[in-house]
Amino acid sequence: GENVEQHPSTLSVQEGDSAVIKCTYSDSASNYFPWYKQELGKRPQLIIDIRSNVGEKKDQRIAVTLNKTAKHFSLHITETQPEDSAVYFCAASDRGRRALTFGSGTRLQVQP
Amino acid sequence: DTAVSQTPKYLVTQMGNDKSIKCEQNLGHDTMYWYKQDSKKFLKIMFSYNNKELIINETVPNRFSPKSPDKAHLNLHINSLELGDSAVYFCASSRRRVQGNTEAFFGQGTRLTVV
Repeated sequence: GENVEQHPSTLSVQEGDSAVIKCTYSDSASNYFPWYKQELGKRPQLIIDIRSNVGEKKDQRIAVTLNKTAKHFSLHITETQPEDSAVYFCAASDRGRRALTFGSGTRLQVQP
Repeated sequence: DTAVSQTPKYLVTQMGNDKSIKCEQNLGHDTMYWYKQDSKKFLKIMFSYNNKELIINETVPNRFSPKSPDKAHLNLHINSLELGDSAVYFCASSRRRVQGNTEAFFGQGTRLTVV
């Protein structure tokens, strides 16, 4: 089955800096890669996703890049703000699998 | 209106008891899931249902039994609760497309504590 590895497990940045979180996946059939943000005590919520026919996608301060050959995908957050502090999860799934396989999460702390 | 709602939000119970968690979605999605989030925050799929049919059962002890009476509901019943069952359980739903999975919407979670 699919295996998703996520790094780093914790990340501390100064407000205004950029943050990058990286994931690798094992199943070359995976074609959908969402990123979720989970604030303390809350539910995971989608912040951005990308499909395998696209190499990069951007939404304001958030961007995701995908390298299918290397089976890597990354989340980039620019101009970080204290409200970006949360746990971020990457995930992957293929056309046939009816569920997401999640990475282990990255706790992002943005210092004011 | 809440898209995916699950009840209860908190559940404290003794070892050996049987308990249920209910989930409902009003998004018209055809696929529903149960995920378990442990104390280290790992999110792991337990079950997936598509149009009331069990699609995924990820090596979960058979003390856990999901039931989907219709497309909008997926309940989780747990027998003989153990200390290790303590976790946050998330229900989620999504819509299947030809190209594959789409965004999964999560419920608010049920924090189960077994004492």
